[in-house]
Amino acid sequence: DVQMTQSPSTLSASVGDRVTITCRASQNIKIWLAWYQQKPGKAPKLLVYKASSLEVGVPSRFSGSGYGTEFTLTIDSLQPDDFATYYCQQYDSYLYTFGQGTKLEIK
Amino acid sequence: QVTLRESGPALVKPTQTLTLTCSFSGFSLNTSGMCVSWIRQPPGKALEWLALIDWDGSRYYTTSLKTRLTISKDTSKNEVVLTMTNMGPVDTGTYFCARISRTATGTATFQHWGQGILVTVSS
Repeated sequence: DVQMTQSPSTLSASVGDRVTITCRASQNIKIWLAWYQQKPGKAPKLLVYKASSLEVGVPSRFSGSGYGTEFTLTIDSLQPDDFATYYCQQYDSYLYTFGQGTKLEIK
Repeated sequence: QVTLRESGPALVKPTQTLTLTCSFSGFSLNTSGMCVSWIRQPPGKALEWLALIDWDGSRYYTTSLKTRLTISKDTSKNEVVLTMTNMGPVDTGTYFCARISRTATGTATFQHWGQGILVTVSS
């Protein structure tokens, strides 16, 4: 199965900062990567699919990039609502896998 | 409007079999490209994909739990059922169902989610 490794595990930042989360796949997954935001007690919310396509309704301060085994999620000008946990997920094969998550905390 | 909702027991005993139902609306699992999947999340831990069933009845399972899982669908009821045998305390967590659309305009990943159901395994 494809292993997904996210870094960092925890990220402390302030409102207005620009932050980047990295996700590495154990093998080439081409563009088949998604990013999700999850808040406590809630289901994950799809932010980005196909590595760089923004889901409808997601603010443009979120962006995704990458191909193959290295991917990033960038949030420009952090807003208070953005403090949450973020997960990457590959869907190159039918054996889907998630990263271990990155908790974005207020500094 | 696509909606999904999980139902099932909140508490199961060790060694018992868990049966969860995902009831959905706003789409049909008879439609080419539609899939429903189950994902779980232990308290305070990461998401773990469990199983998926396609519109054509094809089934896929996570390798580590393949022998314990069965996913099925009842298209007349708009339901997908997951069973997990031999439950243990490590299986405690929130279980989500989610829809995938592999149509030409779909995102091909988990775009719509249920609210989740917390299942506790304890004697």
